Amino acid sequence: LAKTTQPISMDSYEGQEVNITCSHNNIATNDYITWYQQFPSQGPRFIIQGYKTKVTNEVASLFIPADRKSSTLSLPRVSLSDTAVYYCLVGTPGGYQKVTFGTGTKLQVIP
Amino acid sequence: DVKVTQSSRYLVKRTGEKVFLECVQDMDHENMFWYRQDPGLGLRLIYFSYDVKMKEKGDIPEGYSVSREKKERFSLILESASTNQTSMYLCASSLTSALNTEAFFGQGTRLTVV
Repeated sequence: LAKTTQPISMDSYEGQEVNITCSHNNIATNDYITWYQQFPSQGPRFIIQGYKTKVTNEVASLFIPADRKSSTLSLPRVSLSDTAVYYCLVGTPGGYQKVTFGTGTKLQVIP
Repeated sequence: DVKVTQSSRYLVKRTGEKVFLECVQDMDHENMFWYRQDPGLGLRLIYFSYDVKMKEKGDIPEGYSVSREKKERFSLILESASTNQTSMYLCASSLTSALNTEAFFGQGTRLTVV
């Protein structure tokens, strides 16, 4: 699996847009990029997944440049309830393989 | 809704005890995973299983074993619990092992070994 690098922590004020970038320089051609969110004392939950360009759902947007060596999770107008740890994962579909997480980015939303 | 249920939310065991952590999923997923989560270390994969009776070691399998006798149930076994196994344990399941398929997590079991 491609190794990922994310900032350890970020702070943001309520109402701001937050962008969390993940580096994955060794991403393979068939790899997808997936983001998870984890609240304290809960298991992670899936937020968004993409392969290239832009993906948007009701929770977030995912921006992937043409070279796919990085990706950016964008959270619009964050609220206090968005305080969580955000994990970026990359991997190739098909077959079986480990699903491994890194240390994630701890986002603290400030009132 | 997909549900992954871990048998205990909190557990306290003594050093040397054999400990069983149970996980059940209700969505007929082929793949199940056990992770532990420690401050500053993120989630680390202990074992995973892609089919009944099949298992693969993750990144930190030492001191653990697993059992998957039925598709819906994946058990993590601490053969002889030690204090360094005090941690939050998370179970997950997914329809395929591919990362473009969502993994669903349980609420976690916080195990304390004294």
